[in-house]
Amino acid sequence: DGGITQSPKYLFRKEGQNVTLSCEQNLNHDAMYWYRQDPGQGLRLIYYSQIVNDFQKGDIAEGYSVSREKKESFPLTVTSAQKNPTAFYLCASRGQPNEKLFFGSGTQLSVL
Amino acid sequence: KNQVEQSPQSLIILEGKNCTLQCNYTVSPFSNLRWYKQDTGRGPVSLTIMTFSENTKSNGRYTATLDADTKQSSLHITASQLSDSASYICVVSLHRGSQGNLIFGKGTKLSVKP
Repeated sequence: DGGITQSPKYLFRKEGQNVTLSCEQNLNHDAMYWYRQDPGQGLRLIYYSQIVNDFQKGDIAEGYSVSREKKESFPLTVTSAQKNPTAFYLCASRGQPNEKLFFGSGTQLSVL
Repeated sequence: KNQVEQSPQSLIILEGKNCTLQCNYTVSPFSNLRWYKQDTGRGPVSLTIMTFSENTKSNGRYTATLDADTKQSSLHITASQLSDSASYICVVSLHRGSQGNLIFGKGTKLSVKP
């Protein structure tokens, strides 16, 4: 079954802690994205990657970091510098610029 | 400023009724417009795409329209079902050829009651 998988579904972060959200796809897509979704808000782009070993900052990259060592994987680290990390995080991928996005099922991050 | 505005913010209808969701955009240069459905706690799923030359497109009980002159789109849901309860997100693509070129609306939360 082709798709995009995010884990964990729920994640809790302690003060000063870095946490990493996993995103894996087997769709053979070049482009991968991380979005943040807050209640009543539209999706906001954190980072995106168009090719392995390359990524660009989105609109709200501060306090986040990513890597793209493999085509299938695009993990997102929420660092301690992100002071308001509580949100629903969505990973997505697509093959070509005008194709639809395929989304994972999301990770809900909360602060303890 | 590139923006996508959706209305209403939320909507409650009875099962079996029809409804229409609106999307207005000020995005340039425009490439296409997609409607996504997002169930609670899940990722969005694409329903339909509208390009500049298309006025109407149907996908089962969903019908999307696009008026490129007034920069408005609508999503009409016919004979609503309980499973239609979700947020519906309008997403406009800029014609830049870049992967980071999507403008998202805030969504309309639809509740279908029995």
